[in-house]
Amino acid sequence: DVKVTQSSRYLVKRTGEKVFLECVQDMDHENMFWYRQDPGLGLRLIYFSYDVKMKEKGDIPEGYSVSREKKERFSLILESASTNQTSMYLCASSLTLLGKEAEQYFGPGTRLTVT
Amino acid sequence: LAKTTQPISMDSYEGQEVNITCSHNNIATNDYITWYQQFPSQGPRFIIQGYKTKVTNEVASLFIPADRKSSTLSLPRVSLSDTAVYYCLVAPGGRRALTFGSGTRLQVQP
Repeated sequence: DVKVTQSSRYLVKRTGEKVFLECVQDMDHENMFWYRQDPGLGLRLIYFSYDVKMKEKGDIPEGYSVSREKKERFSLILESASTNQTSMYLCASSLTLLGKEAEQYFGPGTRLTVT
Repeated sequence: LAKTTQPISMDSYEGQEVNITCSHNNIATNDYITWYQQFPSQGPRFIIQGYKTKVTNEVASLFIPADRKSSTLSLPRVSLSDTAVYYCLVAPGGRRALTFGSGTRLQVQP
């Protein structure tokens, strides 16, 4: 069974703080993703990584950066948290990006509140 | 990237068959069509994937016409536990990730 874990289910941070969200997968997947989910907007891709140290911007990368130093771990960094980054953050992983094996496995999510 | 359009919400009753249609007019030749399900406070979960014609698994069926410009997810005999948001995605080729839209919120009533 694929398992994707996220470091926290709930997080409260202050405006201007640097925030790290960690994600770990145990299936040796090549690809990892960070999404945010807001009411009425669905899931929006922030960044994804297709290999160690490789990354690509998604639809809404502004205000975020990512780090993938090891295959199993993908970190999302908010350099200076702002209130408009209050959201549910979901991490996912997949074996491939193409075709039948591109199924994404999601973690439980981190609900981040920035005050 | 192929954009998808699906209804914002649907209502049904227990025991009925539910069909959710998704349009994807600019789907590319090597794109697959995938559906995910999301319950409140959980991450999305893969339901079914297809390329053309019909695919069936223990959860749902997926119907894709010959032109592949739309697809229909069919849930037979829904129950209250099928109340969720359903996302239609088209998998692009190359080093690009999936894009989830807003999904269809299905409400099943007793």
